[in-house]
Amino acid sequence: DGGITQSPKYLFRKEGQNVTLSCEQNLNHDAMYWYRQDPGQGLRLIYYSQIVNDFQKGDIAEGYSVSREKKESFPLTVTSAQKNPTAFYLCASSIRFSRGVKSPLHFGNGTRLTVT
Amino acid sequence: DAKTTQPPSMDCAEGRAANLPCNHSTISGNEYVYWYRQIHSQGPQYIIHGLKNNETNEMASLIITEDRKSSTLILPHATLRDTAVYYCIGGGGADGLTFGKGTHLIIQP
Repeated sequence: DGGITQSPKYLFRKEGQNVTLSCEQNLNHDAMYWYRQDPGQGLRLIYYSQIVNDFQKGDIAEGYSVSREKKESFPLTVTSAQKNPTAFYLCASSIRFSRGVKSPLHFGNGTRLTVT
Repeated sequence: DAKTTQPPSMDCAEGRAANLPCNHSTISGNEYVYWYRQIHSQGPQYIIHGLKNNETNEMASLIITEDRKSSTLILPHATLRDTAVYYCIGGGGADGLTFGKGTHLIIQP
């Protein structure tokens, strides 16, 4: 079955450490996205990538970094500069990203990061 | 900021139709409206999308007003498994990727 795989489901880190969240898709989608969700809140966009080797900041990019070296992979690094890293992180992909018209987003099942 | 507005919560009796409203007065003529739902601790699931015409699939129906300023998602025979947060998304470019807090739909037995 095609889909998006996020691993691990739960991740624990000590404060001050960088941590990388994995996101892999086998849907042959051009565009990929990272969102953050806090309890009782909606999803906030961190970064998105329209195509390999290209990415743009979303609404809350500070303290995060990404790379898009392969079409199927879009890892997110939560750096020690992120002040409140504990959250639920969701990765998504879509067939393409074109201004004004987008294809539906397909989401993974998320990684719950806890930093203490 | 979200480009759509939805009521924070709604109740619906099991077996009845659930009608979820969404205002999206700022979307342009060529921008789609998408609906997703999220069951607790899972990733959101795509439900349906539309541009101008009403749409129906195996999950739901989408009614879009003629002026395209609002839409209604209809779950025709709600079940307990339809309890979730429903998100309405609209807009172009990165605006169309903004998820607000959605509507928490609770199906009552």
